[in-house]
Amino acid sequence: TQLLEQSPQFLSIQEGENLTVYCNSSSVFSSLQWYRQEPGEGPVLLVTVVTGGEVKKLKRLTFQFGDARKDSSLHITAAQPGDTGLYLCAGDRENSGGSNYKLTFGKGTLLTVNP
Amino acid sequence: GAGVSQSPRYKVAKRGQDVALRCDPISGHVSLFWYQQALGQGPEFLTYFQNEAQLDKSGLPSDRFFAERPEGSVSTLKIQRTQQEDSAVYLCASSLGRDEQFFGPGTRLTVL
Repeated sequence: TQLLEQSPQFLSIQEGENLTVYCNSSSVFSSLQWYRQEPGEGPVLLVTVVTGGEVKKLKRLTFQFGDARKDSSLHITAAQPGDTGLYLCAGDRENSGGSNYKLTFGKGTLLTVNP
Repeated sequence: GAGVSQSPRYKVAKRGQDVALRCDPISGHVSLFWYQQALGQGPEFLTYFQNEAQLDKSGLPSDRFFAERPEGSVSTLKIQRTQQEDSAVYLCASSLGRDEQFFGPGTRLTVL
């Protein structure tokens, strides 16, 4: 059973479209992080959300953390080909022994933005 | 500045061979992590070092996997008697402490 479920698994859209990807769990997380990973590279951190209900914006990307800290979403406005990549959510589970380091990753959403 | 580097970038091994994967973290980073990323999956935690101390090795899949960081900087992940299910990308990450982890590009291991 995957602790963090991401959906959709694959998404192919045209340049200029908007999209939302989701990250859901039955567990509560102290924080959730979103990463983007390009082929042949390691994940790169985009944002960390820590407070239930928190919304963070990074240019055309909007991240939201659920009120109960069990889910998160990433919305991209006017997608561009440069947004293409694997989007991963990762969390630090509450009651993980205070580790604050053992990240649990979802399987990711593979986004392709066609010009 | 230099990021996390890993070598080799690609490794092909015959089943039963031993392999050693190297990670050079960002200078001064205390924490170092190893993850395994199978095809189509997200990274899975293998082990964690704080300086030279291996504080958590709960993610290592079997006793064929061994990691070390003897001087608190460079780390090596060793896999003995490789098997086909060991084929994956092995990612190393480092951080100053309990904050953002910076990932290397990974080593893609293929076991034939």
